[in-house]
Amino acid sequence: ETGVTQSPTHLIKTRGQQVTLRCSSQSGHNTVSWYQQALGQGPQFIFQYYREEENGRGNFPPRFSGLQFPNYSSELNVNALELDDSALYLCASTNGLDQFFGPGTRLTVL
Amino acid sequence: AQSVTQPDIHITVSEGASLELRCNYSYGATPYLFWYVQSPGQGLQLLLKYFSGDTLVQGIKGFEAEFKRSQSSFNLRKPSVHWSDAAEYFCAVGPFGNEKLTFGTGTRLTIIP
Repeated sequence: ETGVTQSPTHLIKTRGQQVTLRCSSQSGHNTVSWYQQALGQGPQFIFQYYREEENGRGNFPPRFSGLQFPNYSSELNVNALELDDSALYLCASTNGLDQFFGPGTRLTVL
Repeated sequence: AQSVTQPDIHITVSEGASLELRCNYSYGATPYLFWYVQSPGQGLQLLLKYFSGDTLVQGIKGFEAEFKRSQSSFNLRKPSVHWSDAAEYFCAVGPFGNEKLTFGTGTRLTIIP
């Protein structure tokens, strides 16, 4: 049984660019959630995907979008990057009973 | 709207001493409550969770937490801390299971010899 994995580990982008972050869910988990954790803050819920459909969204603008694939892996896309988008992005997968978090992707926007 | 308050930003404890981390929540329905730990450069690891039943819940690594509805609190405790417990601790509340969580801002725990 593999855990939740995320790629890349670190990423540096400039303001206005677009970025795609990837997450492979734990085996058997069909639900993936994405969180943004700014420095010194707790994680904030961005959105959740269940069976390839968005299933709930937090207070994030539409330039944050996502996808879930048939194998339940997921992508987080952020367009028109802003400096405040610099954060640790966490992916979590669940089977409805237990939720497991990945190690995160550290995004720096310059 | 649901919210979580962790009043202590940073706590320093001597190794072997007892620990209590505070968490207060605001939630309109029956809360599902969680404590997570995050070591530097790591993701979040679930320590324990409360859904219903016994208000004192046991978790991993010797941690326990007590749910007090009258005080809207879910404080985390450990009778004797180890140097390896140094980390960031997050309390969270959610609508069902452990999805779509609202987290507190965290408490950083430092252990001194």
